[in-house]
Amino acid sequence: DAGITQSPRHKVTETGTPVTLRCHQTENHRYMYWYRQDPGHGLRLIHYSYGVKDTDKGEVSDGYSVSRSKTEDFLLTLESATSSQTSVYFCAISESWVGRGYGYTFGSGTRLTVV
Amino acid sequence: AQTVTQSQPEMSVQEAETVTLSCTYDTSESDYYLFWYKQPPSRQMILVIRQEAYKQQNATENRFSVNFQKAAKSFSLKISDSQLGDAAMYFCAYRLGAQKLVFGQGTRLTINP
Repeated sequence: DAGITQSPRHKVTETGTPVTLRCHQTENHRYMYWYRQDPGHGLRLIHYSYGVKDTDKGEVSDGYSVSRSKTEDFLLTLESATSSQTSVYFCAISESWVGRGYGYTFGSGTRLTVV
Repeated sequence: AQTVTQSQPEMSVQEAETVTLSCTYDTSESDYYLFWYKQPPSRQMILVIRQEAYKQQNATENRFSVNFQKAAKSFSLKISDSQLGDAAMYFCAYRLGAQKLVFGQGTRLTINP
């Protein structure tokens, strides 16, 4: 209903395989983010994007890459999945103008299990 | 780096009572935003309340209110008349720079009927 969808909702994958998670928005927001949620750590920023082809690293970016070729899509790739990347992944979007003070709108999350 | 700390991993409250969740943060900025998010078992992240640092008045949204102490860098959430539907993880968050949110570790709130 908020114009942001994540896919897949659940995924189990094997160690060493590449995995891509997709975030799609229909709000035309400039900013998009990928977070991971782990017990005791809250949500930690992996990568974010401030426009098409403009991305930057967050605090836990090792082992992850992102791409944004269109405003509406932001892809997160685990280049070679490890068990430490088992987590719940959230995508979020934000309006573009600084100072509005709006929080994010979140997707429903992807639970990724690496076995 | 800015940090957000929630020192209460778990809290519980009787239905209809009032509970306060604590949050402290560290920043050198003067103009920023603070948020409380609720995450029920559905996993959805829901914005509960927002506070602008330049406003002295504490934000209120129905049964939810905050106690914002800028000098102390404290931002607590008070839930009045607790309801069973309030049971969830609650995250405090600070908006940093280019709209990146920094989250605390979360507090799991249980409502006892």
